[in-house]
Amino acid sequence: KAGVTQTPRYLIKTRGQQVTLSCSPISGHRSVSWYQQTPGQGLQFLFEYFSETQRNKGNFPGRFSGRQFSNSRSEMNVSTLELGDSALYLCASSLEVGNSGNTIYFGEGSWLTVV
Amino acid sequence: EDQVTQSPEALRLQEGESSSLNCSYTVSGLRGLFWYRQDPGKGPEFLFTLYSAGEEKEKERLKATLTKKESFLHITAPKPEDSATYLCAVRDNDMRFGAGTRLTVKP
Repeated sequence: KAGVTQTPRYLIKTRGQQVTLSCSPISGHRSVSWYQQTPGQGLQFLFEYFSETQRNKGNFPGRFSGRQFSNSRSEMNVSTLELGDSALYLCASSLEVGNSGNTIYFGEGSWLTVV
Repeated sequence: EDQVTQSPEALRLQEGESSSLNCSYTVSGLRGLFWYRQDPGKGPEFLFTLYSAGEEKEKERLKATLTKKESFLHITAPKPEDSATYLCAVRDNDMRFGAGTRLTVKP
């Protein structure tokens, strides 16, 4: 059974640009959540989607957005990139919406470097 | 405020030297406590989910336990391949992660 797939794995962007990251969940999983991981802040929750609706959102500025498609695949977008947005962006999927206590399974992440 | 605190930050063990990692938490309504292992440059790999105080789960050299305020990840006779960062997370309405324990096992 294929795991969570994230693309691209590595990318370099310039300050002020925007970036879109993609995530394909485990087959049958309907919830997708996104996290940002940095050495200083650790793993921080960005947002969660279930049935194409954002169910929960972390404490990040509006430059961070996402969406989920009818096949449960998800994308996140960061506009007007800042140097501080350099991080590992992790996507995770679970069977049901997160607050049900379901286990979430992570992809390998997308490494974003902003220069 | 809900918090998840892991200790120690880093742990160095000799191969075969058993030890425990701690995850203490304060959340209003626990819906699950999760342990993950993360290798450098990779996404977290799921290890265990615990739901209620007194619950225990085992997998190879690892055993996770849960009380009302903390969880322990016991590592018995570790091997060098157990070297990784171990992350604890708790779920109430949000998913909150601890900062992790960086484990190094020397041969």
